[in-house]
Amino acid sequence: KQEVTQIPAALSVPEGENLVLNCSFTDSAIYNLQWFRQDPGKGLTSLLLIQSSQREQTSGRLNASLDKSSGRSTLYIAASQPGDSATYLCAVRAAGGNKLVFGAGTILRVKS
Amino acid sequence: SAVISQKPSRDICQRGTSLTIQCQVDSQVTMMFWYRQQPGQSLTLIATANQGSEATYESGFVIDKFPISRPNLTFSTLTVSNMSPEDSSIYLCSVEDRVGVTGTDTQYFGPGTRLTVL
Repeated sequence: KQEVTQIPAALSVPEGENLVLNCSFTDSAIYNLQWFRQDPGKGLTSLLLIQSSQREQTSGRLNASLDKSSGRSTLYIAASQPGDSATYLCAVRAAGGNKLVFGAGTILRVKS
Repeated sequence: SAVISQKPSRDICQRGTSLTIQCQVDSQVTMMFWYRQQPGQSLTLIATANQGSEATYESGFVIDKFPISRPNLTFSTLTVSNMSPEDSSIYLCSVEDRVGVTGTDTQYFGPGTRLTVL
């Protein structure tokens, strides 16, 4: 059974800092990995998707990497801003399936 | 990307009643899913809504409690039946948007329905 763990559970940083969020998964037979952002009381916004054959994806100040063999992904946020404050969720999709298995999330607070 | 709307956005219901949540997508999609997010927890898949056939439920979820309809490629409903306070959660609809030959298979989520059961 796939299990996804995110570390840290919560993070508070001053504006302008670069930061890294970590995601690990127990079964390396994945189809892809997706990073989402969730604002309080809202739905999920897809940030980045990495296929199992890829090593990283970039979008603006966000960079996500994937090391499938070791079961790890990181989300790097450069020059953090207060608007980045949200819960960040990592989800993996198993090879041959459609179901996303989510981590518990990292609650990020960027202080101005 | 797909634009997804859900109705209602939130509701407060009495124990023993049922609530039907609607999910509307602005384009035809192959896959539609229903997730639950209990307070303080992450998302759990309830079922895959199949167009023209019965939904496929995950372990721990049953059709009698969470009947699902999907009459076409842009619309689905989830009913939460005979509700109890333990059903208080955010219910989210998601869709899979296959883009091009490579098939990015990104899943997009609706804004969610916040349900409180008294």
